[in-house]
Amino acid sequence: GNSVTQMEGPVTLSEEAFLTINCTYTATGYPSLFWYVQYPGEGLQLLLKATKADDKGSNKGFEATYRKETTSFHLEKGSVQVSDSAVYFCALKEGDAGNMLTFGGGTRLMVKP
Amino acid sequence: ETGVTQSPTHLIKTRGQQVTLRCSSQSGHNTVSWYQQALGQGPQFIFQYYREEENGRGNFPPRFSGLQFPNYSSELNVNALELDDSALYLCASSLKGGATDTQYFGPGTRLTVL
Repeated sequence: GNSVTQMEGPVTLSEEAFLTINCTYTATGYPSLFWYVQYPGEGLQLLLKATKADDKGSNKGFEATYRKETTSFHLEKGSVQVSDSAVYFCALKEGDAGNMLTFGGGTRLMVKP
Repeated sequence: ETGVTQSPTHLIKTRGQQVTLRCSSQSGHNTVSWYQQALGQGPQFIFQYYREEENGRGNFPPRFSGLQFPNYSSELNVNALELDDSALYLCASSLKGGATDTQYFGPGTRLTVL
């Protein structure tokens, strides 16, 4: 079956540091890939997505590139802010799997001033 | 454009009781998916509804059931509550058949089973 593996957190960074959160996946077909963010006490917000190999998703300074050869979708940001502190979830979706999303376990990011 | 809304925000029940959670989909969306998020974990897919019928189900027992109404809103019902059912329940809406079927999530309902 499908699965998503994320690096374990928490990840603690100082403001303006470079961020990488690793995500790898296992899927039988060619999934779409997503990053969602969850702020304390809230639901999930879509951060970015990519639907095919070599696509780059980007939003609010965050980027992730769909790497089919390494089955990865690592999240990066060049300069984090305190307001980026949240839990980040990598997810995949295969269209013939009832349109369900399969999530990783989440990575907590803490950014210190 | 109205986003996904869920009610209630919080709920406390005791073991063996039944609960109904509600979700209103985003304007223009026709599909609703439900997820269970245990504390410290990623969301797990429960089921999806499209055109008032179940359109996919995850690894959850039959005591988890749902409905979708003609206005595309949805309910999640859980019977015979167990302590392990304590979690954040998330609803997501999407547009099946559109240019994109990205799922957009509501704020969730926090269920505590005592």
